[in-house]
Amino acid sequence: GQNIDQPTEMTATEGAIVQINCTYQTSGFNGLFWYQQHAGEAPTFLSYNVLDGLEEKGRFSSFLSRSKGYSYLLLKELQMKDSASYLCAVRDLDGQNFVFGPGTRLSVLP
Amino acid sequence: EAQVTQNPRYLITVTGKKLTVTCSQNMNHEYMSWYRQDPGLGLRQIYYSMNVEVTDKGDVPEGYKVSRKEKRNFPLILESPSPNQTSLYFCASSLSIGDYGYTFGSGTRLTVV
Repeated sequence: GQNIDQPTEMTATEGAIVQINCTYQTSGFNGLFWYQQHAGEAPTFLSYNVLDGLEEKGRFSSFLSRSKGYSYLLLKELQMKDSASYLCAVRDLDGQNFVFGPGTRLSVLP
Repeated sequence: EAQVTQNPRYLITVTGKKLTVTCSQNMNHEYMSWYRQDPGLGLRQIYYSMNVEVTDKGDVPEGYKVSRKEKRNFPLILESPSPNQTSLYFCASSLSIGDYGYTFGSGTRLTVV
């Protein structure tokens, strides 16, 4: 079976750092993806991890531990425009299917 | 511009009236997929296609049909829509392998009354 867990909501202050966690239990694993989705819009691709460790992309970083079934997305120097939902998704062993978590709604306050 | 185009963006229809939501991509992607998104449930996969004439069921295929006659197009068909199919639908495409995520269409908000 497939199960992906994320916190439902988080709140942080402009300029701060926030970490959004994702835990997964899936029947196969071939990569973990993070997407950002603003209300009423399509998700957009943020980052990808397939090996353990940290991937950094500007203000956003993503970490993966395959042995723990755990990932996090780190957002630095938060801006108001970062208020959005953040979706964690696991690609299965065949490399074809993505299973999405429920998403974490982040509110950035002034 | 590389994109996935979905139409219509908004649709209100009545129970039982067949409808088609179109999806087209211009990136020569092999892989295409349909998702529905409902509050508290996240994105759930309806159908996917790994290439032309190859389609397979996702997690919630009941009440839906798809076809993949050409690489660029992947329409979603609701033969007899019901109110529980009221949802936000996304089409997505990607290259079949590698560190490529999905490119999503803009979404179709469907209401079945």
